[in-house]
Amino acid sequence: DGGITQSPKYLFRKEGQNVTLSCEQNLNHDAMYWYRQDPGQGLRLIYYSQIVNDFQKGDIAEGYSVSREKKESFPLTVTSAQKNPTAFYLCASSIRQPGQGWNEQFFGPGTRLTVL
Amino acid sequence: GIQVEQSPPDLILQEGANSTLRCNFSDSVNNLQWFHQNPWGQLINLFYIPSGTKQNGRLSATTVATERYSLLYISSSQTTDSGVYFCAVVDYGQNFVFGPGTRLSVLP
Repeated sequence: DGGITQSPKYLFRKEGQNVTLSCEQNLNHDAMYWYRQDPGQGLRLIYYSQIVNDFQKGDIAEGYSVSREKKESFPLTVTSAQKNPTAFYLCASSIRQPGQGWNEQFFGPGTRLTVL
Repeated sequence: GIQVEQSPPDLILQEGANSTLRCNFSDSVNNLQWFHQNPWGQLINLFYIPSGTKQNGRLSATTVATERYSLLYISSSQTTDSGVYFCAVVDYGQNFVFGPGTRLSVLP
């Protein structure tokens, strides 16, 4: 089945450790995105990538890093520099249509990160 | 940057009732989506509707881009409709912004 997978579903990390969240899609979408959601809030954009080997910062990129070596994969690393990393992290993808801006986004099931 | 407001923030309905959720945005947009976030956190696409009207079963949506608002209609609500409904927009500066959501509870 086509879709977006995220792993793990739940992740616990000790303060001061880096951790990497996985996001894979088999929809053949060009663009991929990472969002953060805090309890009772909407989503905020961390990073996005519209093409392999290229990515841009979103509104809250500090303390995070990404790579886009393959079209299907867009892993997110939460570094020790992120002050409040406990949150729900959602990955999304969309078709990129040049000149038409961002297209409809589809989301994975999310990863809940807790820093102990 | 563009501001997105949603109303009401919370809504409680009896099963079978109808409801209207509203999304207001402060600037012109070239993309608008409605999502339903279920209790497990999954975001489900409802509508991709930068303008016009669409219907899907008991749900329909209308976006009036010139007046900077969108409406989501839920008819004959069911308990499975419970969750948070988000509106998300993209402005012409390519800024993607989610609204704060409307939390819907449908009681049996």
